[in-house]
Amino acid sequence: DAGVTQSPTHLIKTRGQQVTLRCSPISGHKSVSWYQQVLGQGPQFIFQYYEKEERGRGNFPDRFSARQFPNYSSELNVNALLLGDSALYLCASSLGQNLNRPQHFGDGTRLSIL
Amino acid sequence: AQSVTQLGSHVSVSEGALVLLRCNYSSSVPPYLFWYVQYPNQGLQLLLKYTSAATLVKGINGFEAEFKKSETSFHLTKPSAHMSDAAEYFCAVMTGNQFYFGTGTSLTVIP
Repeated sequence: DAGVTQSPTHLIKTRGQQVTLRCSPISGHKSVSWYQQVLGQGPQFIFQYYEKEERGRGNFPDRFSARQFPNYSSELNVNALLLGDSALYLCASSLGQNLNRPQHFGDGTRLSIL
Repeated sequence: AQSVTQLGSHVSVSEGALVLLRCNYSSSVPPYLFWYVQYPNQGLQLLLKYTSAATLVKGINGFEAEFKKSETSFHLTKPSAHMSDAAEYFCAVMTGNQFYFGTGTSLTVIP
């Protein structure tokens, strides 16, 4: 079975631009979470979506938004990109709404801001 | 706010030696606790999780962790290190339906 897939794998943008990252969860998983991992640090929780609704949100500015589609795939959007947004963006899926269920991570999208 | 502290950003052990990676958390209520491993250019893989069923939790690849409420700790151990264990290890806490990761410990295994 396919794991969590993220696209693109790498992306280069310039300050002020907008970016959309995509995530396809494991088949049957209805929860998708997004994390930002800055180089040398642990992942930071951005959002969780379950059944197309936002169920959790970390301490990120409104420039970050996300949505989940009827097929449970998800997009993360970041507007007005800053140099500090350079990071590995990880998507994780799980069966249930509660984040204590095992989360399965994709390999991430590496975003570089010039 | 929750915090997760991993003591030692880099740990080196000889192949066959004991692996001990330390994690302390701050929480007013017993949280859900996790250890994840990350290999270069990959996502995170769950090693084990604590959900209050038992204080000693066994995970994959021979790893285990012990929950000590009095010390607010959840240290990860493996009796005998293997070369394939070299990776970045993250301790994490889930509470209030948010996930909090530590800053990670990079494990080097010396042949």
